[in-house]
Amino acid sequence: DTAVSQTPKYLVTQMGNDKSIKCEQNLGHDTMYWYKQDSKKFLKIMFSYNNKELIINETVPNRFSPKSPDKAHLNLHINSLELGDSAVYFCASSQDPGPGTSTDTQYFGPGTRLTVL
Amino acid sequence: DQQVKQNSPSLSVQEGRISILNCDYTNSMFDYFLWYKKYPAEGPTFLISISSIKDKNEDGRFTVFLNKSAKHLSLHIVPSQPGDSAVYFCAASALNDYKLSFGAGTTVTVRA
Repeated sequence: DTAVSQTPKYLVTQMGNDKSIKCEQNLGHDTMYWYKQDSKKFLKIMFSYNNKELIINETVPNRFSPKSPDKAHLNLHINSLELGDSAVYFCASSQDPGPGTSTDTQYFGPGTRLTVL
Repeated sequence: DQQVKQNSPSLSVQEGRISILNCDYTNSMFDYFLWYKKYPAEGPTFLISISSIKDKNEDGRFTVFLNKSAKHLSLHIVPSQPGDSAVYFCAASALNDYKLSFGAGTTVTVRA
């Protein structure tokens, strides 16, 4: 069974369209994340949800909106797609580290390669 | 502003020899460090981690060393195997911070 899954794996779309990427984890984790890997291969945090509550929102354009219907799911909706949004998007999850600790080990999904034409 | 740096983009090593990957960080608040391995078209896979209260952690063929005063950590793989050919990412997090900061990755190629 896949621990962290994402759909779709590949997404090709036109500029200006709206698209969503879905993520599900079956690890029983409380915290989920979205990362973006750009053309220079850097992995950068975009959002994090803990128990369906947004806890990290890193200077991401408001065209990007995460939605967490429950602890096991964190979807990413992108409005008015731009060429610069082309990247690989990774979902991850971890246990809630709790106060006074660092983040627990994060487990990643396989990634969604988004290409905006 | 990259707080985690992997200055060697690539490393080539012969099968059976040791692979040494290096990582430097600038944020003195980082207290938990991880190494991830990534194959093409897959997500990063957790490999090994170390807390700032330790200077070494070992798991089979993988050992991570932490030098807090130098803000430097390294990953040793010995012996290297062909299946170790992948991109290795160093990552770090700070106390009470949920996010991981990643380095740019080092591509390891193990030659037969």
